[in-house]
Amino acid sequence: GAGVSQSPRYKVAKRGQDVALRCDPISGHVSLFWYQQALGQGPEFLTYFQNEAQLDKSGLPSDRFFAERPEGSVSTLKIQRTQQEDSAVYLCASSLQQGASYEQYFGPGTRLTVT
Amino acid sequence: AQSVTQLGSHVSVSEGALVLLRCNYSSSVPPYLFWYVQYPNQGLQLLLKYTTGATLVKGINGFEAEFKKSETSFHLTKPSAHMSDAAEYFCAVRKSNFGNEKLTFGTGTRLTIIP
Repeated sequence: GAGVSQSPRYKVAKRGQDVALRCDPISGHVSLFWYQQALGQGPEFLTYFQNEAQLDKSGLPSDRFFAERPEGSVSTLKIQRTQQEDSAVYLCASSLQQGASYEQYFGPGTRLTVT
Repeated sequence: AQSVTQLGSHVSVSEGALVLLRCNYSSSVPPYLFWYVQYPNQGLQLLLKYTTGATLVKGINGFEAEFKKSETSFHLTKPSAHMSDAAEYFCAVRKSNFGNEKLTFGTGTRLTIIP
């Protein structure tokens, strides 16, 4: 079946612009995660949803970052007033349920470049 | 807090030789441990995981890893490298208490296979 999809795959934004990144999880997956991967680094956790509830947003780096999942399926990560340090690959992952028995399936990512 | 250290950002091995990628972790509670592989412009794919039970775990593509609590290590091995193993490998840790879903990743090891 279809995996996790993300759009756009590439986004170039001028500093100060707002951007919205979309994640379509695997159908029926309850848990959804956002990670940020800077160049040459491992992914870093941003936020986590269980259905529509945002249970952990401890990794969001500033109040310019906002994520939502209003109907418990598609999620959007919004970054306001983008800065150069926001340049990174943003990865979305979904899993069927909570718990380590359930694998997190990752999408291909959105590469954001802020100029 | 939990963290992961991957020794060696770049590892090169000859085709057919042993692959050894090192991972050490720290965690305040018993950890769950994971190895992911990332091919260029693709998302992360789970290779194997340790949650409970047998400390030697086998994964896909002939990889295996052994959880050694006394050494706080979870090194990844493969007896005979194949050209298709060239990729970036990430070790990750998660707390084992329910509700702690986020993965903490190491900085990655780029594996190069020499023909």
